[in-house]
Amino acid sequence: GIQVEQSPPDLILQEGANSTLRCNFSDSVNNLQWFHQNPWGQLINLFYIPSGTKQNGRLSATTVATERYSLLYISSSQTTDSGVYFCAVPRGSTLGRLYFGRGTQLTVWP
Amino acid sequence: GAGVSQSPSNKVTEKGKDVELRCDPISGHTALYWYRQSLGQGLEFLIYFQGNSAPDKSGLPSDRFSAERTGGSVSTLTIQRTQQEDSAVYLCASSLDSLYGYTFGSGTRLTVV
Repeated sequence: GIQVEQSPPDLILQEGANSTLRCNFSDSVNNLQWFHQNPWGQLINLFYIPSGTKQNGRLSATTVATERYSLLYISSSQTTDSGVYFCAVPRGSTLGRLYFGRGTQLTVWP
Repeated sequence: GAGVSQSPSNKVTEKGKDVELRCDPISGHTALYWYRQSLGQGLEFLIYFQGNSAPDKSGLPSDRFSAERTGGSVSTLTIQRTQQEDSAVYLCASSLDSLYGYTFGSGTRLTVV
């Protein structure tokens, strides 16, 4: 099956710093999503980004499907950005089954 | 509704009992998904409903697990004869269809004692 690897596994930042999270996947995909799970467990969809670049406020994401990776950029980080960031891609030919990476645990200190 | 609603938010049950978990998706979303999240296994796919098509049950871990979606809206995940390894957070999500981003509910934390 498809392999999804996220790096780094853990990241600690001072408020105001920028960061880049990476997601590598082993097979071609036509659907990739980034999620943020806050410390209370709520999963929020950040981006649906099978290819190209999208921006939403301080967050942006780029997926290079031909090279099988996606990057999530967080600029001017805030303490509310803390949590776990997951990328997810379809598992097999069924778009509805997503395979989640193990996530990047981000901690932002004031 | 405005978001995906799951109930109960917490459930403690005795080993061997049956439990039912409910998910109320966003109105108009044709796709509905169940995942579970546990410490050792991360986020695991369980089952996927898309419109009137037969559900994709390939992620259900055993025949003790079943799910249905009535009228293309509310879904119920049933776990029979619960075991301690069933303890996890059960998450429901919905989307306009499988080509759109998911919206997750807050989850049901199931503890089997």
